[in-house]
Amino acid sequence: DGGITQSPKYLFRKEGQNVTLSCEQNLNHDAMYWYRQDPGQGLRLIYYSQIVNDFQKGDIAEGYSVSREKKESFPLTVTSAQKNPTAFYLCASSLRDNKNIQYFGAGTRLSVL
Amino acid sequence: QQQVKQSPQSLIVQKGGISIINCAYENTAFDYFPWYQQFPGKGPALLIAIRPDVSEKKEGRFTISFNKSAKQFSLHIMDSQPGDSATYFCAASIRGSGSRLTFGEGTQLTVNP
Repeated sequence: DGGITQSPKYLFRKEGQNVTLSCEQNLNHDAMYWYRQDPGQGLRLIYYSQIVNDFQKGDIAEGYSVSREKKESFPLTVTSAQKNPTAFYLCASSLRDNKNIQYFGAGTRLSVL
Repeated sequence: QQQVKQSPQSLIVQKGGISIINCAYENTAFDYFPWYQQFPGKGPALLIAIRPDVSEKKEGRFTISFNKSAKQFSLHIMDSQPGDSATYFCAASIRGSGSRLTFGEGTQLTVNP
């Protein structure tokens, strides 16, 4: 089945710890995105990548980092600099020439211990 | 900053009723308006979308109405069913510019049996 796989489903972070959320897609999409979802705030863009080895900051990039070494993978690291990391994180992908249709993974819920 | 405002934040409808969710945007350059549906614990999925050259688009029980002069668009769910209970997000983007989707805050719809 083609799709986007996010792992883990649940993740817990200790104070001062960096954690990495995985996102893998087998849709052969060029563009990939990371969103943060908080109640009542919709989906806010953290980072996006339109091509391998290139990525851009979204609206709330502070405290996060990404890499795009492979077309299929776009991992997100939540660093210790992110003081309020508790949220639902969504990864998405789209064709580079049709970014309007984005396909989402099932999400990772991150909590702070 | 580009914004899309969505209302209401939550909506309760009886089975068989009509659910109406409204969105307003500011940037007149937006030219693609999708709606996404998200079930609990899942990622959003594209439900229906409209371009501003038409005033209405219907797919089954779901209809988008678009008012370009008022910079507003809305989702109507006819004959609402308990299975429609989900969070709905409107969004907007500019086609062809490489721009990403800007999402509304979301509406949590509950359809009572």
